[in-house]
Amino acid sequence: DQQVKQNSPSLSVQEGRISILNCDYTNSMFDYFLWYKKYPAEGPTFLISISSIKDKNEDGRFTVFLNKSAKHLSLHIVPSQPGDSAVYFCAASVDVQANNLFFGTGTRLTVIP
Amino acid sequence: DTGVSQNPRHKITKRGQNVTFRCDPISEHNRLYWYRQTLGQGPEFLTYFQNEAQLEKSRLLSDRFSAERPKGSFSTLEIQRTEQGDSAMYLCASSLVVPGQRIFGPGTRLTVL
Repeated sequence: DQQVKQNSPSLSVQEGRISILNCDYTNSMFDYFLWYKKYPAEGPTFLISISSIKDKNEDGRFTVFLNKSAKHLSLHIVPSQPGDSAVYFCAASVDVQANNLFFGTGTRLTVIP
Repeated sequence: DTGVSQNPRHKITKRGQNVTFRCDPISEHNRLYWYRQTLGQGPEFLTYFQNEAQLEKSRLLSDRFSAERPKGSFSTLEIQRTEQGDSAMYLCASSLVVPGQRIFGPGTRLTVL
């Protein structure tokens, strides 16, 4: 039962353009959402998070948008850089202190120079 | 502190053998988590500790799996009588209770022949 879904396994974007990664979830109890980036042979690295009281959170080139009614969130990277090429995981939990974090299956982003 | 470390990084074993992995978390983090990631999937929660107490175990953690965190510092994950289906990346992460953002280690890749 996949409660967090990333329906695009891969995405290719030209350097300098916007990358948009999407994530859908099914559990309406989820209240806290995170994006992780993973390079080969490394563990996932925390990128950005958002709680359900907000619909947008921005950190430099990275912005996460949350649409609770649609149970959808997205990560925007502007401008995209070749170093952003990695697998991006969306994750969700019922609150910021929850021990069980549910991950999506990941989207492999390739930024083409 | 150099982050979360895991040893070994790779383990190849024959079916039926026992294996043990070690995780050294960030020293001031009191929460420690184990996740399993199979090919094409996101990390799946296995268990977590707050200090030395194991507070939750996923249904994915069969009786052949046992985890310990003596003295609330490093943790070990043991798999007895390994099966080919146990082949996966085993990730460890640690965090403070607040905030709940986990720092992941590089993982131990297990291959069961």
